[in-house]
Amino acid sequence: DVKVTQSSRYLVKRTGEKVFLECVQDMDHENMFWYRQDPGLGLRLIYFSYDVKMKEKGDIPEGYSVSREKKERFSLILESASTNQTSMYLCASRTAYGYTFGSGTRLTVV
Amino acid sequence: AQKVTQAQTEISVVEKEDVTLDCVYETRDTTYYLFWYKQPPSGELVFLIRRNSFDEQNEISGRYSWNFQKSTSSFNFTITASQVVDSAVYFCALSEAGPGGGADGLTFGKGTHLIIQP
Repeated sequence: DVKVTQSSRYLVKRTGEKVFLECVQDMDHENMFWYRQDPGLGLRLIYFSYDVKMKEKGDIPEGYSVSREKKERFSLILESASTNQTSMYLCASRTAYGYTFGSGTRLTVV
Repeated sequence: AQKVTQAQTEISVVEKEDVTLDCVYETRDTTYYLFWYKQPPSGELVFLIRRNSFDEQNEISGRYSWNFQKSTSSFNFTITASQVVDSAVYFCALSEAGPGGGADGLTFGKGTHLIIQP
C-alpha cells in the first residue's frame, strides 16, 4: 500500500513565523498535491507538483510556496504565517488508480 | 472549469435506515474520473471508489452502492442498512484527464456530514 506521511499531526505557530509542512510518499510517484480543508468549504488545492523541481499553482496559492527537491518529498511553506491560514492541511500523492492522502496537519496560527 | 456540488450539508438518520448522498458535477471534458472519499473523525481521507466517464455501470460493494448517470451529471452514493460506524464526512470529487491523465488534482465538493444515530 502507498503511504503518504505528514510529519506533524498538530502544529501551533505564531503570526509572522515561517512554517514548513512536510510530506513524504514511499512509492516514487511523480504527482503530489497540497490541499487545505476548512469547514463549509471542503478541500481546496493550494499547489501541486509533476516532478522534482516542478510546481504549479492550484486554486488558492496566495501566501504559500512549495519545494520539491526530491521526488519523495513535497514541502508546503507559509512564508509569513497569518491567522487566516489556520486550517487542516492535507497532502496527497497520485497513484495509478487514484489519490492517496496523508493523515493531515492541523495548523493553528496564533 | 470543473465543479462538484454536494447539496446536502448534513444528513441524520437512524441506524439501519438506507441513505443516499447526492453528487452533481460539471465538466467540459469527455474523459474524467469521479471519486468518493470518506473522512471519519480521525481526519484521514479514505478512498471508496473511482469511476471513469466511460463506465456507467453501477457498482455495489457490500452495503455501499454507486449510481453514475452521465445524462444528469450525477454520481450518487447509497449506504444500505446504515451503521453508526458509517458516521463521517463524505466527499465527492472530480478529476479531469490532463496531460498526465488526471495529474492536475481533484476538485472536491464541500462534503456531506452523515450522522447515524443508534
